[in-house]
Amino acid sequence: GAVVSQHPSRVICKSGTSVKIECRSLDFQATTMFWYRQFPKKSLMLMATSNEGSKATYEQGVEKDKFLINHASLTLSTLTVTSAHPEDSSFYICSARGLSSSYEQYFGPGTRLTVT
Amino acid sequence: QQQVKQSPQSLIVQKGGISIINCAYENTAFDYFPWYQQFPGKGPALLIAIRPDVSEKKEGRFTISFNKSAKQFSLHIMDSQPGDSATYFCAGPSGGSYIPTFGRGTSLIVHP
Repeated sequence: GAVVSQHPSRVICKSGTSVKIECRSLDFQATTMFWYRQFPKKSLMLMATSNEGSKATYEQGVEKDKFLINHASLTLSTLTVTSAHPEDSSFYICSARGLSSSYEQYFGPGTRLTVT
Repeated sequence: QQQVKQSPQSLIVQKGGISIINCAYENTAFDYFPWYQQFPGKGPALLIAIRPDVSEKKEGRFTISFNKSAKQFSLHIMDSQPGDSATYFCAGPSGGSYIPTFGRGTSLIVHP
């Protein structure tokens, strides 16, 4: 149980375009989803926290107009990188927390974004 | 401000040896202390977690030791195997609700 999927696993896009990453909890309802960014050999940097049906809370320094997060249902959250630039290239990881736990979170496999 | 301090940054161990990774935290408001394992190109996976009502928790070759007074917890990997080679992260709470902050990670290499 507690499986989280992400799609796509890899994406390459051109500068100036937008790309959407989906995060799904497959066998549980996720009241809270987190989006992280990870640079090579670095830790996970929390970008935003989203609760189903409400606006995401962004961490300091994260542009909410550039990284659009939608948590429209208890099993799906999306991250849209708008007007992508090469410096947005990174590994994006989502995680989800279910109704039954205040602490445990389950991670998706990550999405490798490359902006050319 | 780093609220979770993890050490060492990297660790090399021979097969069969013991790997020890340490984590120090500041926020005492919450009571859940996890370790995650991440392989290259993959998302982190929960390895083991502890609540501070016990000082130690063991699952197979993995053990968490918890020292509440020192605000530290550590991961011990017994009989380390090459397949354990990965990056390990501890996490601690931050803010007014349990939003985890991750340590900087420890790159473990187990030589065969």
